[in-house]
Amino acid sequence: RKEVEQDPGPFNVPEGATVAFNCTYSNSASQSFFWYRQDCRKEPKLLMSVYSSGNEDGRFTAQLNRASQYISLLIRDSKLSDSATYLCVVNIAYSGYALNFGKGTSLLVTP
Amino acid sequence: NAGVTQTPKFQVLKTGQSMTLQCAQDMNHNSMYWYRQDPGMGLRLIYYSASEGTTDKGEVPNGYNVSRLNKREFSLRLESAAPSQTSVYFCASGIERGTASSYEQYFGPGTRLTVT
Repeated sequence: RKEVEQDPGPFNVPEGATVAFNCTYSNSASQSFFWYRQDCRKEPKLLMSVYSSGNEDGRFTAQLNRASQYISLLIRDSKLSDSATYLCVVNIAYSGYALNFGKGTSLLVTP
Repeated sequence: NAGVTQTPKFQVLKTGQSMTLQCAQDMNHNSMYWYRQDPGMGLRLIYYSASEGTTDKGEVPNGYNVSRLNKREFSLRLESAAPSQTSVYFCASGIERGTASSYEQYFGPGTRLTVT
């Protein structure tokens, strides 16, 4: 079983819509949580870290539920430029800070 | 400040050939990583180096070797390339922020390798 699981999508939404992505992780020793963004044929880039209390960065809100081992990302007022693949990522401290990546959720925002 | 750089950007090899992928970072990070990304598989860790002088295997190390040349540079070597190693290879460096074990990584632009 993959340690980090995401719905691959694709999610097709119109500009201005709100869209939510979910992710589950299997290792309860996971300590750090992130959302990365990857544009087609480009490198992954850190979008935001996810904190236990939840956190917001502009139009993006991330939530963590440790009891359910569940992470979410909410994007409000979607822009065309939000079209990308969103990667859910967890870190297990005893693994040398290596990251475990989900396969990603594809988002296409249309005019 | 270039961040993480990788060379080459593209490479085509024949089965059995060898090559070294180069990676360098100028952010003074302690940890460096090599990943491969295949369609439908996501990013998988090949090797990592938690600090200068140390290297450890990741999820898919077979067929690869690494060298942490100094704090800045971390190379990945394919001794005898196989078609199964056709992939996009990303190098990353990492830094721990704060006390919440928040460990972010920064990626290079990738090397697209085809083995025929």
